[in-house]
Amino acid sequence: EVQLVESGGGLVQPGGSLRLSCAASGLSFSSFSMVWVRQVPGKGLEWVSYIDSGSTTIFYADSVKGRFTISRDNAKNSLYLQMNSLRVEDTAVYYCARDPRTSDCFIDYWGQGTLVTVSS
Amino acid sequence: QSVLTQPPSVSAAPGQKVTIACSGSRSNVGNHYVSWYQQLPGTAPKLLIYDNDKRPSGIPDRFSGSKSGTSATLDITGLQTGDEADYYCGTWDSSLVVVVFGGGTKVTVL
Repeated sequence: EVQLVESGGGLVQPGGSLRLSCAASGLSFSSFSMVWVRQVPGKGLEWVSYIDSGSTTIFYADSVKGRFTISRDNAKNSLYLQMNSLRVEDTAVYYCARDPRTSDCFIDYWGQGTLVTVSS
Repeated sequence: QSVLTQPPSVSAAPGQKVTIACSGSRSNVGNHYVSWYQQLPGTAPKLLIYDNDKRPSGIPDRFSGSKSGTSATLDITGLQTGDEADYYCGTWDSSLVVVVFGGGTKVTVL
């Protein structure tokens, strides 16, 4: 059974930093590209970032470019999202998910999400 | 404002059919596969349809997708109370170089 378990969410002040982690199991993690998708409570989905299996191709949404960094450690079956210069509008549930295709939208496995709250 | 346009809500009685439209442009829906996601209350999204009209294993054939030009459609037939959820379309946008989602459609079973 595929499991994606996010951690690292919490309350942070505007301008602060947070690092999200996603532990993957039940799949050959090193073979697949991964994404982060976020959702403001009560609102729609927003794709945040993509990283391919070898960390050679990375994409970001304009809203986070220059502030967020996606990375992975295939030896630890883990995906990360380093979030700096956080803003109130970054408040959302952040989902770790598998998207095995590049330049496509085929998100077949999702984590349960971790809530990030940016507030003073 | 979402790049892909969906109606905010649709509703129908049990057993009936609902259709959710997803409208985009040539840089997204017009030239890339569309997928659909179901999000039940309080849960993570779930892949419902991929490559415009394909269902992952375990998804009942009451759910079907199609695409024509720059619009895609999700049909749900034989509506059940358990289908009450938010539904999102998604695709790649080659101009923006990102995945884009529709704003979501809330399905209500009357």
